[in-house]
Amino acid sequence: AQKITQTQPGMFVQEKEAVTLDCTYDTSDPSYGLFWYKQPSSGEMIFLIYQGSYDQQNATEGRYSLNFQKARKSANLVISASQLGDSAMYFCAMREGFPVTSGSARQLTFGSGTQLTVLP
Amino acid sequence: DTAVSQTPKYLVTQMGNDKSIKCEQNLGHDTMYWYKQDSKKFLKIMFSYNNKELIINETVPNRFSPKSPDKAHLNLHINSLELGDSAVYFCASSQDRPWTSGRRETDTQYFGPGTRLTVL
Repeated sequence: AQKITQTQPGMFVQEKEAVTLDCTYDTSDPSYGLFWYKQPSSGEMIFLIYQGSYDQQNATEGRYSLNFQKARKSANLVISASQLGDSAMYFCAMREGFPVTSGSARQLTFGSGTQLTVLP
Repeated sequence: DTAVSQTPKYLVTQMGNDKSIKCEQNLGHDTMYWYKQDSKKFLKIMFSYNNKELIINETVPNRFSPKSPDKAHLNLHINSLELGDSAVYFCASSQDRPWTSGRRETDTQYFGPGTRLTVL
């Protein structure tokens, strides 16, 4: 089973409106972190927002907020007041488990991405 | 100042050649990663190093060999390049201290600008 599912290959939103990008995840680990990254057409991967599995409140970073519904295993990204510069590919990702030794590391597992286009 | 840098940004080469991609981070992070992004934009972990020690080695052909001369550098050497190696390769780093896991500051991975490898 896929660990991260993004069901919207493409989304359109009018400038200045809000948009929600969907992400569901699958893990049996009680300790995990959820991330959203933005990849504009220039290609770089830009970190947007983080939600830890034990965080009580939904994460917010400026115009970005994460709608974290633990029981549903969803971590949707909400972008408020969309701007033309928000047009990009958006990736949801997850890291599982606490490292138990100083020699362990946890990789990110990515979803397939959502291409967001903001219309003027 | 660039946090995670990669060189070169573009690499065009013939099949069968050997090439290297260099990565450096000035964030003081303990863990570095190599990810591959294929033509469909799917991102997948290749390697992870923690304090110069290989931690994750996903199913990657042994033509790919990571080298970490110190904590701030993780280079990727590829022997006998094949057409299927054409992709974008991203280096990333994270603080990843086990006793402080579950926090944005330790869990978040920061990516380099990527190296677009084209094998002809």
